[in-house]
Amino acid sequence: DAKTTQPPSMDCAEGRAANLPCNHSTISGNEYVYWYRQIHSQGPQYIIHGLKNNETNEMASLIITEDRKSSTLILPHATLRDTAVYYCIVSSRGSNYKLTFGKGTLLTVNP
Amino acid sequence: DAGVIQSPRHEVTEMGQEVTLRCKPISGHDYLFWYRQTMMRGLELLIYFNNNVPIDDSGMPEDRFSAKMPNASFSTLKIQPSEPRDSAVYFCASIPSGTGAYNEQFFGPGTRLTVL
Repeated sequence: DAKTTQPPSMDCAEGRAANLPCNHSTISGNEYVYWYRQIHSQGPQYIIHGLKNNETNEMASLIITEDRKSSTLILPHATLRDTAVYYCIVSSRGSNYKLTFGKGTLLTVNP
Repeated sequence: DAGVIQSPRHEVTEMGQEVTLRCKPISGHDYLFWYRQTMMRGLELLIYFNNNVPIDDSGMPEDRFSAKMPNASFSTLKIQPSEPRDSAVYFCASIPSGTGAYNEQFFGPGTRLTVL
C-alpha cells in the first residue's frame, strides 16, 4: 500500500473549517484514501473514504486532487470535540481490509 | 448493537505472568483485527482473522504472543510470559466482508495493559 505524509500537528479555531492535508504521491489506481480519527483514550473511528471523486458525509468532506497524489479532509465547522489525531490511510480493495496507520495529524481545536 | 466489546479495560500484571485479552466483535462481522498502540510505534496491526481463521499474523511480535478465534463471537490475545515492553493499549476491530471499498473498521475501546 502507498505511504502517506501528514503534518504532525495543526490548530483550528472553534467554528472554523479545519483542512487537514495528506500527501500520497505513490498511490496506485486501485487504492482508496481513507480517513480515521482517534480521540484521546478511544479507539480509532472511521470518517470517510474516496477513490477519485470528492466525497461528503455528515462528518466531513474529502477532496482528492485530480492526479490523486494528495487529498484534504475538511471539517466544515470544527468543535472542541473534534480535537483528535487524524489518520490518512491508503489501501487497496485487494488488501483484505488491512489498514496501515501512520503517525497522523494531531488537530487541536481551540475555543 | 453494543459495538465491539473488549475486556478487561485495564490490566496490570507483573513480568512473567500470563495475560489474556478478550474481544467480542460486532455480530455478523466476519473479519477481526488485533492492534497494539504505543507512543513509540503508534498503531500496529498484530493479526487478523476471517471467518475465525488467522489470515495474517506477520505483525505478531514474537512467540510469546498468540491469538485465537474459537468462534465467530469471541477472540483472545494471549501473552505468555509478559514483559514490561508489552505495556500498550490493545485494540480489537471488526468489519463485515462483502462491503467492497467501504472499509469501516469498528474499533473497541481498547485494553490498557501495564506490565510491571
